[in-house]
Amino acid sequence: KQEVTQIPAALSVPEGENLVLNCSFTDSAIYNLQWFRQDPGKGLTSLLLIQSSQREQTSGRLNASLDKSSGRSTLYIAASQPGDSATYLCAVQADTDKLIFGTGTRLQVFP
Amino acid sequence: GAGVSQTPSNKVTEKGKYVELRCDPISGHTALYWYRQSLGQGPEFLIYFQGTGAADDSGLPNDRFFAVRPEGSVSTLKIQRTERGDSAVYLCASSFSGGNTGELFFGEGSRLTVL
Repeated sequence: KQEVTQIPAALSVPEGENLVLNCSFTDSAIYNLQWFRQDPGKGLTSLLLIQSSQREQTSGRLNASLDKSSGRSTLYIAASQPGDSATYLCAVQADTDKLIFGTGTRLQVFP
Repeated sequence: GAGVSQTPSNKVTEKGKYVELRCDPISGHTALYWYRQSLGQGPEFLIYFQGTGAADDSGLPNDRFFAVRPEGSVSTLKIQRTERGDSAVYLCASSFSGGNTGELFFGEGSRLTVL
């Protein structure tokens, strides 16, 4: 059974720091991995989608890497801002289209 | 529409009552998903539609839960004889084609509270 773990569970940093959020999954037979952002009381916003054949994806200050063989992905946030404060979720798609989510990393960036 | 729309945004009901939650996906998206998110947890898969048919309903917790998508667009999640443990945020998502390459777009969810 696929399990997704995110470390750390919570993170509080001053503005301007570069951050790394970690995601690990137990079964390397995945089709893709997605990183989402969730603001309190809101739905999920897709940040980056990495296909299983890809190693990384970049969007602005965000960079996500994927090492499928070791079951790991990292989300790198450069020059963090208070507006980046949210919960970040990773999810893997393994079969029949369903996504398996981690429990998220709650990020707080203070001025 | 511009995004995935879910109604109601909040629903408070009493134990034993019947509840319907509605999802209006992005226009043209053939794939539609329902997830449930409890406090402090990641979303858990409930059911996936491709067009009008339920392609995978393996996540529905029991037979009190049912979902339909009669015309391949709007979907309704139906919960009978609600229990306190059903309290959660119910999230709907859609994608253009489904499958293993489709990016999912989520609605803001329907928060269900069962008293």
